[in-house]
Amino acid sequence: EAQVTQNPRYLITVTGKKLTVTCSQNMNHEYMSWYRQDPGLGLRQIYYSMNVEVTDKGDVPEGYKVSRKEKRNFPLILESPSPNQTSLYFCASSLWMNTEAFFGQGTRLTVV
Amino acid sequence: ELKVEQNPLFLSMQEGKNYTIYCNYSTTSDRLYWYRQDPGKSLESLFVLLSNGAVKQEGRLMASLDTKARLSTLHITAAVHDLSATYFCAVTGTASKLTFGTGTRLQVTL
Repeated sequence: EAQVTQNPRYLITVTGKKLTVTCSQNMNHEYMSWYRQDPGLGLRQIYYSMNVEVTDKGDVPEGYKVSRKEKRNFPLILESPSPNQTSLYFCASSLWMNTEAFFGQGTRLTVV
Repeated sequence: ELKVEQNPLFLSMQEGKNYTIYCNYSTTSDRLYWYRQDPGKSLESLFVLLSNGAVKQEGRLMASLDTKARLSTLHITAAVHDLSATYFCAVTGTASKLTFGTGTRLQVTL
């Protein structure tokens, strides 16, 4: 089954404790991206990747890192999480930048 | 910079009624997508509109695209409770990423 898989689904952590949210897709898509969703603000892109070893900032990249060492995986790293990063995070993949995006199940992150 | 606006942001409607959600975007675009999101869930693709005048229908939902007016509509016919969700449009150009609208939260009441 074609899918985008994120883990974990829920995470509560403390300020400053490094964490990684994993994302994997099995559709051989070139393009992957991370979004955060906050009430009233819709979906905002954090980082994106057009291919292996090619990543770039989205609209709200501060406080996040990503890597794309393999085509299928695109982890999101928060080196020193802060409470303002409490949000619902989605990973998405698509064949190209401007084609239909397929979303993971979401990760609800709470930073206390 | 591409901007996408949806109207209304919140819509409460009775079962059986018809209504339309509007998606306006600011610059030339050649693709538009509609997504549905149930509370706490992921986004599910509903429609892909690729050309001016495109119309797609699925059950009680019909989406259309007018690229000259930079407008897409999502029309709901005879709403039922199961359609309660948040609906997003997303727009992209030839060499640009998807930009999402802020979403329309639809609540269908009995």
